[in-house]
Amino acid sequence: QKEVEQDPGPLSVPEGAIVSLNCTYSNSAFQYFMWYRQYSRKGPELLMYTYSSGNKEDGRFTAQVDKSSKYISLFIRDSQPSDSATYLCAMTKTSYDKVIFGPGTSLSVIP
Amino acid sequence: EADIYQTPRYLVIGTGKKITLECSQTMGHDKMYWYQQDPGMELHLIHYSYGVNSTEKGDLSSESTVSRIRTEHFPLTLESARPSHTSQYLCASSGLTGTGSGNQPQHFGDGTRLSIL
Repeated sequence: QKEVEQDPGPLSVPEGAIVSLNCTYSNSAFQYFMWYRQYSRKGPELLMYTYSSGNKEDGRFTAQVDKSSKYISLFIRDSQPSDSATYLCAMTKTSYDKVIFGPGTSLSVIP
Repeated sequence: EADIYQTPRYLVIGTGKKITLECSQTMGHDKMYWYQQDPGMELHLIHYSYGVNSTEKGDLSSESTVSRIRTEHFPLTLESARPSHTSQYLCASSGLTGTGSGNQPQHFGDGTRLSIL
């Protein structure tokens, strides 16, 4: 079993939809959680960085961490075609440990 | 925002050639990383460095080598390229926050897409 699981998709939604992207993990020691967006032929771009459980909001993006369920989510409101990309979750035990990345979910937002 | 630069962006080269992929960052980050990513696949850590003259192998075995002579520079070298080395190579860096809460998350360059014929 991989440490971090993520549905690879592809996920296709109409413009304006609310998108929910999810990751599950097996190591209860993970405390720092990240979401990256990766466009084709580009490097991953950091979207959200959260510590421990709870919610964090930034514009149209909300990151949610449920450590009791070992489950994290990224919500995108009012999705736009420019949100079409691969979304990677990532996590680490402490800020000094190696980061474990999920395989990514491919998202397409259709105009 | 971290500024991290990789060159070349694309490289197509024949088998047996020596290749150096360049990575530089301007943020003074102490930690730097190299990842390998095949299309549609996850990132695999192949090398990392926690500072000058410090280099470690990552989780994925790689025939490449790295060096860290300067804080801002972390080149990756393949002594004799083979078709199995065809992949995308991503460089990342991270550094301490000013608040004492530990490392910032990793920031990535745009990668080098390497094709060995």
